[in-house]
Amino acid sequence: DTAVSQTPKYLVTQMGNDKSIKCEQNLGHDTMYWYKQDSKKFLKIMFSYNNKELIINETVPNRFSPKSPDKAHLNLHINSLELGDSAVYFCASSQDGGGRNTIYFGEGSWLTVV
Amino acid sequence: GNSVTQMEGPVTLSEEAFLTINCTYTATGYPSLFWYVQYPGEGLQLLLKATKADDKGSNKGFEATYRKETTSFHLEKGSVQVSDSAVYFCALSGVSGGSYIPTFGRGTSLIVHP
Repeated sequence: DTAVSQTPKYLVTQMGNDKSIKCEQNLGHDTMYWYKQDSKKFLKIMFSYNNKELIINETVPNRFSPKSPDKAHLNLHINSLELGDSAVYFCASSQDGGGRNTIYFGEGSWLTVV
Repeated sequence: GNSVTQMEGPVTLSEEAFLTINCTYTATGYPSLFWYVQYPGEGLQLLLKATKADDKGSNKGFEATYRKETTSFHLEKGSVQVSDSAVYFCALSGVSGGSYIPTFGRGTSLIVHP
């Protein structure tokens, strides 16, 4: 059983398109995150939700919009994709907010914008 | 704000060599400290953690000791294997702006040759 699963794993799309990445966790955790990892492996937190409420919203373009229909799901929608959005996006979850407990990561979604 | 500084990589070693990856942090209060490992093509997974000063985290032959006096959490392993080749992330969870925020270092790539 995959604890944190995200789809799609690979996504190639053209500039200007709108795309979504879906994430689900079956760990019963209260908190979910989206991270962006660039080509140099630098990991940057984008958003964090606790029980469907936004608690961390880092400096991210408005084109990125998270949506949490319930505490087991946190989807990421990206409008008007740009070349610089190419990266690996990781969904993650933890029992509490802020990562005091272990953060469990999905396997990543490789987004390539051409 | 909180921050984590790791030594730059890549670190290249021969099998059975001794490994040290340095990590220092800046945080208010008493953060929890973590090492995560990312194998090629995968998401991050917890390697070990320590939640208070002088605690030692250990797993799979890796160790790190929470040193509050030097604000460090260096990762060590006595004898590395080729299968340890991965990217290692030091992380902390500490209070920032009234909330616990997970903060990751930039990652250190380890390459182990046979």
